[in-house]
Amino acid sequence: NAGVTQTPKFQVLKTGQSMTLQCAQDMNHNSMYWYRQDPGMGLRLIYYSASEGTTDKGEVPNGYNVSRLNKREFSLRLESAAPSQTSVYFCASSEFESLNYEQYFGPGTRLTVT
Amino acid sequence: QKEVEQNSGPLSVPEGAIASLNCTYSDRGSQSFFWYRQYSGKSPELIMSIYSNGDKEDGRFTAQLNKASQYVSLLIRDSQPSDSATYLCAVGRAAGNKLTFGGGTRVLVKP
Repeated sequence: NAGVTQTPKFQVLKTGQSMTLQCAQDMNHNSMYWYRQDPGMGLRLIYYSASEGTTDKGEVPNGYNVSRLNKREFSLRLESAAPSQTSVYFCASSEFESLNYEQYFGPGTRLTVT
Repeated sequence: QKEVEQNSGPLSVPEGAIASLNCTYSDRGSQSFFWYRQYSGKSPELIMSIYSNGDKEDGRFTAQLNKASQYVSLLIRDSQPSDSATYLCAVGRAAGNKLTFGGGTRVLVKP
């Protein structure tokens, strides 16, 4: 049982390049989330998917797109990377049933945009 | 005013003592409350969840919730050097299952 996995672990991009961050969970959870964490800013929600087939914007969605590929997988795409997107990105998942709202996090992707 | 506020610390605690962390929130509709531990360079790890007023104990950890006063706290008893980490408070509403995180409190346990 791997929980939540993310790839890649590290990435360096040049301004204007694109990339997709991958996330998968094997806990049969319904909801999945993408956060970014910056020093002094805490964890901020980028996008989330309450259930398969739905996605919604979070607090800081500009510059990002997401795809809920199936119940297990939720990807985050940067179409044209900017230095302001240098951050640590975390994917999380939650059952969101039976009043269980606990979220479990993946190991993170450290992204640097130069 | 931030939606979820925590003292950034560092909170320095002698080994074996009790560490007391506090978190206040502004949304009176909040119904779910969580404490995460995050070691430097690692991802947040869920350590406690609490949904009802009162205390909830799990090992050396006790979470306390007071919805009327809009605060949630975490007590760490018999603090160990391995408890040195940043502790994140997260608050959510039932609908939508979105969590709002505080900035975290850094705890240092000194041997």
